[in-house]
Amino acid sequence: GQSLEQPSEVTAVEGAIVQINCTYQTSGFYGLSWYQQHDGGAPTFLSYNALDGLEETGRFSSFLSRSDSYGYLLLQELQMKDSASYFCAVYNFNKFYFGSGTKLNVKP
Amino acid sequence: GAVVSQHPSWVICKSGTSVKIECRSLDFQATTMFWYRQFPKQSLMLMATSNEGSKATYEQGVEKDKFLINHASLTLSTLTVTSAHPEDSSFYICSAYPPVSGGYNEQFFGPGTRLTVL
Repeated sequence: GQSLEQPSEVTAVEGAIVQINCTYQTSGFYGLSWYQQHDGGAPTFLSYNALDGLEETGRFSSFLSRSDSYGYLLLQELQMKDSASYFCAVYNFNKFYFGSGTKLNVKP
Repeated sequence: GAVVSQHPSWVICKSGTSVKIECRSLDFQATTMFWYRQFPKQSLMLMATSNEGSKATYEQGVEKDKFLINHASLTLSTLTVTSAHPEDSSFYICSAYPPVSGGYNEQFFGPGTRLTVL
């Protein structure tokens, strides 16, 4: 089976940096994706890691350690519009399995 | 990015009726589409993988006779919730996955359909 764990909620102030962790246990693994979802909306793709290391896309970066079955999403220069839920997802056998999600609250 | 549409965006129906939800990839051909279900403040749960020209593959615990999936063309997949009951009320989201020659490709999500069964 697949198991992905994330913190349920994180709060940070505008302009700060926040890290959202994801640990996974899966029967197979090709890579780890990150998605953002605002209330009532559909998920949007943020980042994907297939290999160990850091991937940077603007204010967002994602890290993967396959040996530790661990990854994180780093959000820099937080803005109010970053308040949303963030999901990690394992890509495995041409399917995606989502983590429990982390609600990020950005305060002024 | 690619565009995926979903129709309807919301639907209210009476218990016992069937509801059909359409998922279309508008500017690319999708040999594979996924159907997810999401309860409030919870994660996306993969229900099934829809493959064009073949039967859908359902995840464990998902009733294939209740959630009928048809992938009639490379741009259209439908999910029919048969004999809907209040516990089927949820947010249903599809995604389309373009064909790739090995490796990973991004999945593109539709806007979702909110189903309320009275």
